[in-house]
Amino acid sequence: QKEVEQNSGPLSVPEGAIASLNCTYSDRGSQSFFWYRQYSGKSPELIMSIYSNGDKEDGRFTAQLNKASQYVSLLIRDSQPSDSATYLCAVDNFNKFYFGSGTKLNVKP
Amino acid sequence: GAVVSQHPSWVICKSGTSVKIECRSLDFQATTMFWYRQFPKQSLMLMATSNEGSKATYEQGVEKDKFLINHASLTLSTLTVTSAHPEDSSFYICSAKGQNQETQYFGPGTRLLVL
Repeated sequence: QKEVEQNSGPLSVPEGAIASLNCTYSDRGSQSFFWYRQYSGKSPELIMSIYSNGDKEDGRFTAQLNKASQYVSLLIRDSQPSDSATYLCAVDNFNKFYFGSGTKLNVKP
Repeated sequence: GAVVSQHPSWVICKSGTSVKIECRSLDFQATTMFWYRQFPKQSLMLMATSNEGSKATYEQGVEKDKFLINHASLTLSTLTVTSAHPEDSSFYICSAKGQNQETQYFGPGTRLLVL
């Protein structure tokens, strides 16, 4: 499988802080990039998608893509305890999705 | 919109039996469906990709004779785990993608326990 790397964490942040999640990928042919959130025992749910270099903002979430560095990140502003979950980075390579191992985020009240 | 269902949500079976898992796109036509497996505290591993009316494409290391995938219609794909063994116990998740959709939508998953 294509390599998608994430720090497994856990990443602990206090409530209200900014959480920064990072992901690198190995295949330069990758076209689309996604962040999913997965609660324990549940299937993933889509948080953000990004296709071009730069930043994309949606509410408290900002995705950043740098294709030259093969790097994708997700910033969560004003983190809430309900944001505590595992965040999966996914890379779409010609309609095949490859997932990183996920970063576990803990937001402490 | 973009709802995907899976059935059953839980299944317990004896070693050597076969188990069928259904994946349905409820409000869109899924030209492509994906099957994943997830072991505890690990990420999703893509098992196979299926396009409606075509044979599934399996990822390296996934036995196609053991994991039979059928995508007979634009709203239904099935995964059959044949001659299941305890090591097949896992969380199986399907996802579906329509022709004009940017991403895939996940079903709720099926937990398989083989005794």
